[in-house]
Amino acid sequence: GQNIDQPTEMTATEGAIVQINCTYQTSGFNGLFWYQQHAGEAPTFLSYNVLDGLEEKGRFSSFLSRSKGYSYLLLKELQMKDSASYLCAVRSRGGSYIPTFGRGTSLIVHP
Amino acid sequence: ETGVTQTPRHLVMGMTNKKSLKCEQHLGHNAMYWYKQSAKKPLELMFVYNFKEQTENNSVPSRFSPECPNSSHLFLHLHTLQPEDSALYLCASSQDNSGTGELFFGEGSRLTVL
Repeated sequence: GQNIDQPTEMTATEGAIVQINCTYQTSGFNGLFWYQQHAGEAPTFLSYNVLDGLEEKGRFSSFLSRSKGYSYLLLKELQMKDSASYLCAVRSRGGSYIPTFGRGTSLIVHP
Repeated sequence: ETGVTQTPRHLVMGMTNKKSLKCEQHLGHNAMYWYKQSAKKPLELMFVYNFKEQTENNSVPSRFSPECPNSSHLFLHLHTLQPEDSALYLCASSQDNSGTGELFFGEGSRLTVL
């Protein structure tokens, strides 16, 4: 089976930086996704990491350490519109390579 | 607009009713998925289709019956559901079912079973 863990909820201030962590235990790891889901809307793709290191895309960056079973999503210069749920999803041989999702982290950005 | 359209957006049904959820993708993808999203739970994979053939059935009860007539359309037929089946049902598509490509999700069908 697969075990994916991320915090349930986080709060941060507009303009600040926030790091959302995701840890996983799986067999045959083959990549990790981050998705953003605003309330009442479809999840949308943010990033995909398959190799160790940091991938930067504008205000959002995603980091992966395969040896530690750990990833984080870093959001800089937070805006109110970043208030959303952030979903970590893992591809692995144990899951037939179909992404398996964590519970999601609800991020609340306040002024 | 993600290119994946789900109807209806909201559905209320009794336990003896039969209803269907519909998903259509305009992205030219070959794989389509049904996920269930319940409060405080991870997205749960239900079914995967690749080139109209079902490739995954994640131990879903038979009261949920998928149908994929072509690569662009996916249905989820519902009958004799239980109140615990109330959830957001999300459809997604991807280029294929290898898992390497990103998933494109619809906005979901919010189902309430009375």
